[in-house]
Amino acid sequence: EVQLVESGGVVVQPGGSLRLSCAASGFTFDDYAMHWVRQAPGKGLEWVSLISWDGGSTYYADSVKGRFTISRDNSKNSLYLQMNSLRAEDTALYYCAKDSSSWMFDPWGQGTLVTVSS
Amino acid sequence: QSALTQPRSVSGSPGQSVTISCTGTSSDVGGYNYVSWYQQHPGKAPKLMIYDVSKRPSGVPDRFSGSKSGNTASLTISGLQAEDEADYYCCSYAGSYTSIVVFGGGTKLTVL
Repeated sequence: EVQLVESGGVVVQPGGSLRLSCAASGFTFDDYAMHWVRQAPGKGLEWVSLISWDGGSTYYADSVKGRFTISRDNSKNSLYLQMNSLRAEDTALYYCAKDSSSWMFDPWGQGTLVTVSS
Repeated sequence: QSALTQPRSVSGSPGQSVTISCTGTSSDVGGYNYVSWYQQHPGKAPKLMIYDVSKRPSGVPDRFSGSKSGNTASLTISGLQAEDEADYYCCSYAGSYTSIVVFGGGTKLTVL
């Protein structure tokens, strides 16, 4: 069974840093690009970042560019999101998702909650 | 403001059909056949329902169908069932370095 499990979400002060992790299982991790998508409380989905299968290409939404860094460790079947200079508007449930081809997200993890508050 | 425009809510009675629209531009929906749709029940992760405009993943009932005309994609749910009540999001490849994928704002489907 394909499974994605996020972790690392906590309450952090504005300006702080945090690293999210996503552990993948049930598929050949290094065959697929991976995404982070977030959802603010009561709001819609927002694409955050993409990393290619080998980590050689990365892409970011304008809202996080220069503050967040996506990475992966294929030897550990893990995806990461380093989040710096956090703002209140970064408060959200962060999902990792497998890019199953044709720019479709399947499946998604259960999400990890990041709260930026003083 | 989301990049793709969806109605905030739609409703229908059991057995009826409903269609949810998703309007973008020639730079996203209209430019590529990479439109997908996701169903999200409260407190749950999104689930892929349609990809490549009109393809259904295995396990998704054939009551769900997708289409596209110009810059507008649509998700149609026929034979509505109570368990279809959820939020639905469209998504499109957009090709821009900083907006490579864009989502719609979501549509709340209520089964009356």
